[in-house]
Amino acid sequence: AAGVIQSPRHLIKEKRETATLKCYPIPRHDTVYWYQQGPGQDPQFLISFYEKMQSDKGSIPDRFSAQQFSDYHSELNMSSLELGDSALYFCASSLVGQGIYGYTFGSGTRLTVV
Amino acid sequence: TQLLEQSPQFLSIQEGENLTVYCNSSSVFSSLQWYRQEPGEGPVLLVTVVTGGEVKKLKRLTFQFGDARKDSSLHITAAQPGDTGLYLCAEGYGGSQGNLIFGKGTKLSVKP
Repeated sequence: AAGVIQSPRHLIKEKRETATLKCYPIPRHDTVYWYQQGPGQDPQFLISFYEKMQSDKGSIPDRFSAQQFSDYHSELNMSSLELGDSALYFCASSLVGQGIYGYTFGSGTRLTVV
Repeated sequence: TQLLEQSPQFLSIQEGENLTVYCNSSSVFSSLQWYRQEPGEGPVLLVTVVTGGEVKKLKRLTFQFGDARKDSSLHITAAQPGDTGLYLCAEGYGGSQGNLIFGKGTKLSVKP
């Protein structure tokens, strides 16, 4: 079965650079969620989209933005990167209203800011 | 937003032993999900429990949801090295979109 695809798997950026992370949800899933997981931490919710509209916002810095496109894939744009942005970034997808019953997560993008 | 507490934080056991990990909250869960995460990978959903007192079994894993829906446990029988990983409980919130809040997790190591 198709899973959630994230790219790239690994990304190394310098401070103050920008980064774009991509997420391709499971086919027919209309809701996408982004999570950030720092070293030794639990995943923290950043932002979610339903039908290309932002549906909820968590602890996402103002330097970050995201959008969902007409094919339901989503991109997380991160600017003015800081060392503290180094983390695993996960995308998950579900059908609307079904997220409370469980998500399918992608394998994540490991961002390292040097 | 409620806080989920998981215990123990770390657990190291020998292959073949049994173990139980816990997830507790001061508030009532609407539903509770258990995930297993391996290093550098995304969390993988194991089970969702919804009804108070519910028990679900997944091979050697038994999940229980407390009657009052404020606690849950995961019991593993005859643990194997392949069970090694981070076990996270999570609750859905945020209306129909179902965003998740996670516990800190239990890091399990099963030695051969």
